[in-house]
Amino acid sequence: DAMVIQNPRYQVTQFGKPVTLSCSQTLNHNVMYWYQQKSSQAPKLLFHYYDKDFNNEADTPDNFQSRRPNTSFCFLDIRSPGLGDAAMYLCATSTSQGETQYFGPGTRLLVL
Amino acid sequence: AQKITQTQPGMFVQEKEAVTLDCTYDTSDPSYGLFWYKQPSSGEMIFLIYQGSYDQQNATEGRYSLNFQKARKSANLVISASQLGDSAMYFCAMREGRDGNQFYFGTGTSLTVIP
Repeated sequence: DAMVIQNPRYQVTQFGKPVTLSCSQTLNHNVMYWYQQKSSQAPKLLFHYYDKDFNNEADTPDNFQSRRPNTSFCFLDIRSPGLGDAAMYLCATSTSQGETQYFGPGTRLLVL
Repeated sequence: AQKITQTQPGMFVQEKEAVTLDCTYDTSDPSYGLFWYKQPSSGEMIFLIYQGSYDQQNATEGRYSLNFQKARKSANLVISASQLGDSAMYFCAMREGRDGNQFYFGTGTSLTVIP
């Protein structure tokens, strides 16, 4: 049974057109993460939520926003996607002790 | 400074042989966790193994073992009896602090298992 679900698996958007990626979890973990991973690179942490507390990485562009309406769901909003935002976006969860992260299958974003 | 360093961009191993993937880390925090993940071409990150900084013994999970050398700050992954399905990217990662919620990833090692 999938524990971290990401929808859609593939997303195509137009340059400058807002797009939202979604993540849900059945693990009841209080920490949720969004990573951006470009081809042949390590995942780059964009931000994470500890419960409702939002923690933004210093180098995450303002173009990227996130919402967590409840424990189970977390959204990544890209307000004006550029060609450089084409990447795999990975959602992950962990407990507050953080012994591991559980990743979703990712959403591949293509910007035309 | 890099928190996690993986110096092997690519590795090849013969099927059924063992292979070691290197990872060194940098932290001054006495409490940390070390992780290895496998990422096949499908893109999903699969958790393999975890080692806590206070763990006395090296972690093992089936064919995976973690060679933890605390003084050298290394956490190498050993895969025994390699299988074709082991071909993938492998990432080493670290969490700092007992309640730390940030995970730092290395640049990864691409492993190819040769029949």
